[in-house]
Amino acid sequence: DIQMTQSPSSLSASVGDRVTITCRASQDINNYLAWFQQKPGKAPKSLIYAASSLQSGVPSKFSGSGSGTDFTLTISSLQPEDFATYYCQQYNSYPLTFGGGTKVEIK
Amino acid sequence: EVQLVESGGGLVQPGGSLRLSCVASGFTFSRFDMHWVRQVTGRRLEWVSAIGTAGDTYYPGSVKGRFTISRENAKNSLFLQMNSLRAEDTAVYYCARGLGIRDWGQGTLVTVSS
Repeated sequence: DIQMTQSPSSLSASVGDRVTITCRASQDINNYLAWFQQKPGKAPKSLIYAASSLQSGVPSKFSGSGSGTDFTLTISSLQPEDFATYYCQQYNSYPLTFGGGTKVEIK
Repeated sequence: EVQLVESGGGLVQPGGSLRLSCVASGFTFSRFDMHWVRQVTGRRLEWVSAIGTAGDTYYPGSVKGRFTISRENAKNSLFLQMNSLRAEDTAVYYCARGLGIRDWGQGTLVTVSS
């Protein structure tokens, strides 16, 4: 199975900060990488697919990059509604696997 | 607007069975891979099963042989039959659309406890 490792597991940031979250796959997953945002008590929301393509309706402050084994999610200017937990997921091969999550908290 | 609405969760004893359903709307259901993903409160997301447009199915080792995913395209419906349930299957179960998941349902809670 492909292991997905996210870092950091949590971070504190201020409104307006630029935030970067990394995700590393245990083997090459090409660009079959998705990012999700989840707020407490809510279902996940899809942000990015194919490593860098924004899902419909997702604001452009979110961006993704990377290929192979190393990927990043960047939030260009953190807003109050962006405080949440973020997950990466590989869909290069079954079983599909998720990262452990990165909790973005208010500093 | 895409909607995925799960139902069928509840309390079941260890060793029991439960069948989850997901009704889809707002897209051509038959054209998309569909998934079940679960989450224990406060923990990471765990993929549970997938079914392709041709009816091909996939499972992780943790549920293979106990869970069965199926679909009924005429009714825009996805199902998850869960047998031999264990305490560790307790979680919120989400229905999700697309291989690179695009949309999620609101989830249904499954509790396995005596």
